[in-house]
Amino acid sequence: DTAVSQTPKYLVTQMGNDKSIKCEQNLGHDTMYWYKQDSKKFLKIMFSYNNKELIINETVPNRFSPKSPDKAHLNLHINSLELGDSAVYFCASSRDPTDTQYFGPGTRLTVL
Amino acid sequence: AQTVTQSQPEMSVQEAETVTLSCTYDTSESDYYLFWYKQPPSRQMILVIRQEAYKQQNATENRFSVNFQKAAKSFSLKISDSQLGDAAMYFCAYRSAWASGSRLTFGEGTQLTVNP
Repeated sequence: DTAVSQTPKYLVTQMGNDKSIKCEQNLGHDTMYWYKQDSKKFLKIMFSYNNKELIINETVPNRFSPKSPDKAHLNLHINSLELGDSAVYFCASSRDPTDTQYFGPGTRLTVL
Repeated sequence: AQTVTQSQPEMSVQEAETVTLSCTYDTSESDYYLFWYKQPPSRQMILVIRQEAYKQQNATENRFSVNFQKAAKSFSLKISDSQLGDAAMYFCAYRSAWASGSRLTFGEGTQLTVNP
């Protein structure tokens, strides 16, 4: 069974569109994260939720909005997509904010 | 803010040989965690090894071991008996021990090639 899963794995879309990426973990973890990996492979935190509460909100355009319907899910919605949003987006989870983080397979977003 | 630096963008090693990847970090905190993650071409991020700053003993996981030098703020990864499957991008990462600082701060990565 996949511990942290993301859908879709690949997403190709036009500028200006709105899209969502979904993340689910079956590890029973309380904390979930979104990271962005740019074209130079640099990874940076975007958001983190603990028990469905937002605990980390980095300097990210407000076109990006995370939503946590329950502790096992953390979705990322992106409005008005721009070329610069093209990247790989990783979801991760941990038992609590102090524990080791485990990553999903990533979603490669390409904005044309 | 914490920073993590990997000064070797690329490294190569012969199969069965040993290679060491370097990582330095900057922090004013005394309690934190350090990690090495591996990203093969499949792009999956895989945890390789974890080190708690309060532990003097270096962490070891099978063929992977670290050299943690707290005073020097250095955290290198040694891969022994390198295998073709070890070829990947390796990321060093820092995390505060405080819950409020639970973000992972990553280095730029080192691309490791294993030659047969």
